[in-house]
Amino acid sequence: EDKVVQSPLSLVVHEGDTVTLNCSYEVTNFRSLLWYKQEKKAPTFLFMLTSSGIEKKSGRLSSILDKKELFSILNITATQTGDSAIYLCAKSSGDKLTFGTGTRLAVRP
Amino acid sequence: SAVISQKPSRDICQRGTSLTIQCQVDSQVTMMFWYRQQPGQSLTLIATANQGSEATYESGFVIDKFPISRPNLTFSTLTVSNMSPEDSSIYLCSVRLAGYTDTQYFGPGTRLTVL
Repeated sequence: EDKVVQSPLSLVVHEGDTVTLNCSYEVTNFRSLLWYKQEKKAPTFLFMLTSSGIEKKSGRLSSILDKKELFSILNITATQTGDSAIYLCAKSSGDKLTFGTGTRLAVRP
Repeated sequence: SAVISQKPSRDICQRGTSLTIQCQVDSQVTMMFWYRQQPGQSLTLIATANQGSEATYESGFVIDKFPISRPNLTFSTLTVSNMSPEDSSIYLCSVRLAGYTDTQYFGPGTRLTVL
């Protein structure tokens, strides 16, 4: 079975905190690792990672992939209430995405 | 990215009926997919919608229950047939654009409640 495991399942922080979300995956048919943010219904794309050790950054969000240890992290610095959402990682095998269970992040004022 | 629309955005249906969800994208895309997200769960791929041919279904999903059409490169429909309360979910279409990329972009989703 193709598994993607995210941790923690949920997280509550205060505005201004830094959070690290984790995603581990199985190596079978791995091509890339993607992160999405889901606030209501539609997941919105954040990052796609294919190479180890190369950080991708967008504003306060950054992500990195470790293909040796089979995991990725998503960092959010100086969190804001608007960062409250479910963060999903997905493993791509080329034609399909397999999603993790997600991390539900709540940022309190 | 691409602009993707889905309709209806939500519906409440009676057990035993069927609902067809439409997905329209504003540019030609290579691949279109349909996902289901049950309450409190993550996204599960139902099938890949193939243009002009039968969809490719994932394990646990069958054509009789979830017939899919894709008559051209920008439009697809998913029908949820003979619905039961267990079909209450968010249904999402996604697209992959041309070029070497694994990124999928998602439509706004359809929230289905079956009574």
